Amino acid sequence: EDKVVQSPLSLVVHEGDTVTLNCSYEVTNFRSLLWYKQEKKAPTFLFMLTSSGIEKKSGRLSSILDKKELFSILNITATQTGDSAIYLCATSGTYKYIFGTGTRLKVLA
Amino acid sequence: EPEVTQTPSHQVTQMGQEVILRCVPISNHLYFYWYRQILGQKVEFLVSFYNNEISEKSEIFDDQFSVERPDGSNFTLKIRSTKLEDSAMYFCASSEVETQYFGPGTRLLVL
Repeated sequence: EDKVVQSPLSLVVHEGDTVTLNCSYEVTNFRSLLWYKQEKKAPTFLFMLTSSGIEKKSGRLSSILDKKELFSILNITATQTGDSAIYLCATSGTYKYIFGTGTRLKVLA
Repeated sequence: EPEVTQTPSHQVTQMGQEVILRCVPISNHLYFYWYRQILGQKVEFLVSFYNNEISEKSEIFDDQFSVERPDGSNFTLKIRSTKLEDSAMYFCASSEVETQYFGPGTRLLVL
């Protein structure tokens, strides 16, 4: 059975800290891995990763994929209270996406 | 910036009633999806749609569910006879290739 597992389930840090969120997967017909941020409602897209070892960056966020070990990490440096959200990892297969349960990040001022 | 829109934002219905949730995907996108998220749980894939037919569906997407693209812009999810356990947030998403963009969701409450 296809699955996506995220860890930790929740995390509380202080502003300025650096966090690493983990996502491991076992899916058939893997095509890409996506990271989303979910605040109040709909997930918003952060990154799509298709190749191993190539880091994607957007401001203080970065992510990398390891297709051999079947995992990805999402790093957030110099965290801010606005980073508080649920971070979702999803894998895309043939026409099908599987989401992890998410990591709930709380950044304290 | 183009975005996926959904209507209604909230829907309350009685058990056994039919509901239709509506979505307008981003105009140049070719792939369309429905997901649901029960309160406090993870986002669950329901169905994907491409070239006017279902590409993939999950075990959740049983005979009570159907999708349609009735015209060039709308994409609908119909639940024929709602059950209490259908109460959830329903998200529509669309993609040009693989990066999906989500709509704001419809919160469905079945009483």
